[in-house]
Amino acid sequence: KQEVTQIPAALSVPEGENLVLNCSFTDSAIYNLQWFRQDPGKGLTSLLLIQSSQREQTSGRLNASLDKSSGRSTLYIAASQPGDSATYLCAVQGGSEKLVFGKGMKLTVNP
Amino acid sequence: NAGVTQTPKFQVLKTGQSMTLQCAQDMNHNSMYWYRQDPGMGLRLIYYSASEGTTDKGEVPNGYNVSRLNKREFSLRLESAAPSQTSVYFCASSRLVFGQQNSPLHFGNGTRLTVT
Repeated sequence: KQEVTQIPAALSVPEGENLVLNCSFTDSAIYNLQWFRQDPGKGLTSLLLIQSSQREQTSGRLNASLDKSSGRSTLYIAASQPGDSATYLCAVQGGSEKLVFGKGMKLTVNP
Repeated sequence: NAGVTQTPKFQVLKTGQSMTLQCAQDMNHNSMYWYRQDPGMGLRLIYYSASEGTTDKGEVPNGYNVSRLNKREFSLRLESAAPSQTSVYFCASSRLVFGQQNSPLHFGNGTRLTVT
């Protein structure tokens, strides 16, 4: 059964830092990996989707990479801002499994 | 563009009461989903509908029923609410099931349900 882990569960950093958020998964036979952002009291917003044939995707200050063989993905946030404060979740779809979510990482960017 | 709309936003039920959570999307998506989110448990799939006319169980379907009313609407029904069903419920949709062919999930803002 696919398991998705995000460590650490929370991170607090000063504004301006470049950040790396980690996501690991146990079964490398995946179709896609998705990164989401969740603001307090809100639903999830899709940030990036990487298909299994891709190595990375970029959107603005965000870059997500995928290494299937090692079961890892990273979300890179450049020049972090207080508005980036949110919970970030990754989710993996593979084989006969539905989309499996990690428990998220709560990011706080301090001014 | 409303995206995914869920109603109600908040609800309090007594044990044994029933209710239906409504969800509608205006993106012409084929697939729709119901998730619940609990502290420490993450997001868990209750039911999903890969396309109009089909529904399938997810990870935690017990105590729930769903109806894909048409392509736009997907409802979740609690027949006899229990305190264990206290949670935040999210509806989502995507063009293809579970993000295939670069079609990410779009989520509503959730229904916060308390069962006493």
